[in-house]
Amino acid sequence: DVVVTQSPLSLPVTLGQPASISCRSSQSLVHSVGNTYLNWFQQRPGQSPRRLIYEVSKRDSGVPDRFSGSGSGTDFTLEISRVEAEDIGVYYCLQGTHWPPTFGQGTKVEIK
Amino acid sequence: EVQLVESGGGLVQPGGSLRLSCAASGFTFSDYWMHWVRQVPGKGLVWVSRINPDGSSTTHADSVKGRFTISRDNAKNTLYLQMNSLRVEDTAVYYCTRDSSGYFNYWGQGTLVTVSS
Repeated sequence: DVVVTQSPLSLPVTLGQPASISCRSSQSLVHSVGNTYLNWFQQRPGQSPRRLIYEVSKRDSGVPDRFSGSGSGTDFTLEISRVEAEDIGVYYCLQGTHWPPTFGQGTKVEIK
Repeated sequence: EVQLVESGGGLVQPGGSLRLSCAASGFTFSDYWMHWVRQVPGKGLVWVSRINPDGSSTTHADSVKGRFTISRDNAKNTLYLQMNSLRVEDTAVYYCTRDSSGYFNYWGQGTLVTVSS
C-alpha cells in the first residue's frame, strides 16, 4: 500500500495567522489518466470527517477560501491563510490514485 | 440534502457478529459507489470496504477480508456491513461514505462498534 506521511503531527497555531500542513506519499500520485487524486479532510472534535479539498487543489462546496491545497507528484500542502477558531481539529490527507486508498496519520491543529 | 445515517453498532464479544446499516437519502443511491471507513477512537482513518452502484462488485481491506461483507439494497436505499468473527482490533467508529468527484465526499455520523469480553 502507498504510505502517506503528514507533518507536523501537532500544529499549535495563533488565531489570525497562517498555518501549513505537509503530506508526502511513498509513490507519485499522478494517475495514468493524468489526474492527481489527493484529498484533504477536516475532523472537528466530536464530529465526522469533512472533505475540504479534492484533486490537490479543488475546494469542495461551502469550504472557505482561506483553505487552499497545492503540490504535485509526491509532495502536497494544505494551507490555511488565517486560522479561525472553527478550524481547530485534526486534518488528514488521502491518496486515491493507488488502490487501496490510504490516509495520512493526521495533523492536530490546536490554539497556541 | 445528502444524508447518511449509520446504525447497528454496539458491544459484542470476540468471535461474535454484527450488521451495520447506513440509510441514505437526498440523492439517487443506486448511482453511487459506497464505502465503509473506520476509526479507532483517538486514532486515524482506515478504508474498510467498497461496493459499486449495482452491488455486483465489492472489495475489502486485507484486514477484514473473509470476515466482513459489504452489501446494499438499492430499493431500500441502504448500505450494509456484515461483520463476522469480530476481533478486539475491530473496535472502532464505522462511517458510511459516498463518493462525489473522488473519494469520500459525504460521511455519516458514524456508529461505534466495541469488541470486548
